[in-house]
Amino acid sequence: DAKTTQPNSMESNEEEPVHLPCNHSTISGTDYIHWYRQLPSQGPEYVIHGLTSNVNNRMASLAIAEDRKSSTLILHRATLRDAAVYYCILMYSGGGADGLTFGKGTHLIIQP
Amino acid sequence: NAGVTQTPKFQVLKTGQSMTLQCAQDMNHEYMSWYRQDPGMGLRLIHYSVGAGITDQGEVPNGYNVSRSTTEDFPLRLLSAAPSQTSVYFCASSYAGLGYTFGSGTRLTVV
Repeated sequence: DAKTTQPNSMESNEEEPVHLPCNHSTISGTDYIHWYRQLPSQGPEYVIHGLTSNVNNRMASLAIAEDRKSSTLILHRATLRDAAVYYCILMYSGGGADGLTFGKGTHLIIQP
Repeated sequence: NAGVTQTPKFQVLKTGQSMTLQCAQDMNHEYMSWYRQDPGMGLRLIHYSVGAGITDQGEVPNGYNVSRSTTEDFPLRLLSAAPSQTSVYFCASSYAGLGYTFGSGTRLTVV
């Protein structure tokens, strides 16, 4: 399985944009890039996913490099509620039946 | 919709006891899975199911059994609890692998 690499932790200020990087240099052409986050004492929640093009939803944006070897999750205006562990996960097209493979993720700290 | 419901939220077991962690979803999702999360770690897959009557092992299946008699329910059984199984357990479900929905977890302590 292709692996992802994320920084252990990042810190940002409230109401500023946050860019969370993820490297996946061995990604295959059919792998989707998924992001989940886990708020303190809660289960993970789905954030966003994409294949090649940049994606936007109400929670975040996903910017995917042209060679697809890296991606960035963008929180446009961080709030204290965005403090969480963010996981970047690859899933092949049509996959997901066998669950998700979590790494250690990035612990995002938001300063007021 | 309730989403994914896990019960109980907290449990303390003695070594050697058995118990069942319940998981139910009301979204008609075919895919369901169980994870454990140890302190400071990411989630690890225990067992998963792609539909009623079909289950398979994940990364850390030893000491756990599952069954899937209905689409809605996916219980996780601890056969003989050990202190090493002290963890937070999460159940999740998904439609076709897109956007898994997780339960709020069961905090299990084995003494």
